[in-house]
Amino acid sequence: GESVGLHLPTLSVQEGDNSIINCAYSNSASDYFIWYKQESGKGPQFIIDIRSNMDKRQGQRVTVLLNKTVKHLSLQIAATQPGDSAVYFCADARGNEKLTFGTGTRLTIIP
Amino acid sequence: EAQVTQNPRYLITVTGKKLTVTCSQNMNHEYMSWYRQDPGLGLRQIYYSMNVEVTDKGDVPEGYKVSRKEKRNFPLILESPSPNQTSLYFCASSLFNSPLHFGNGTRLTVT
Repeated sequence: GESVGLHLPTLSVQEGDNSIINCAYSNSASDYFIWYKQESGKGPQFIIDIRSNMDKRQGQRVTVLLNKTVKHLSLQIAATQPGDSAVYFCADARGNEKLTFGTGTRLTIIP
Repeated sequence: EAQVTQNPRYLITVTGKKLTVTCSQNMNHEYMSWYRQDPGLGLRQIYYSMNVEVTDKGDVPEGYKVSRKEKRNFPLILESPSPNQTSLYFCASSLFNSPLHFGNGTRLTVT
């Protein structure tokens, strides 16, 4: 079946360093992807999205890269801060009714 | 403030006792959805609604009901809760083909 998965369940990064969180998807028809951040005790929060007509999209301190050839996307967070500690999910959003989430990567920022 | 509001935040109940988790959004979103989040399984969609009086099953609809009588409200109903429905539940809403806005979750325990 179709799936979206993250490569590592946990990731620890020194404060100030850059972090990269990876995600793979299986459906070559997928054309819209979203990254969410979930802090403890809260619901997922939108970070950034990318559509399949783009390879890269940048936000504030975050960059998402999409490689359609190998069905892989990554979230890069620059100059990580303690507030970046959270669980990060990628989601395959082929229309809202078929939003499929990965299982998440827990990012821990080490002071 | 634009938000999705779920109530209650925490609920402990016994097997078979009907319960309703309410969800309300103030952003005039057409699309609303319910998810459950379980360790190792990520977020799984229960039901979604594209508009008033229109609801559809997600990936794990068994044991749940929903209704969409008004645009802003999308309650989740468990007619006869069972222990395997112990989970963290999230309601979300969005405009079509746009990122979801999530509530802060309802932690349900069924004994």
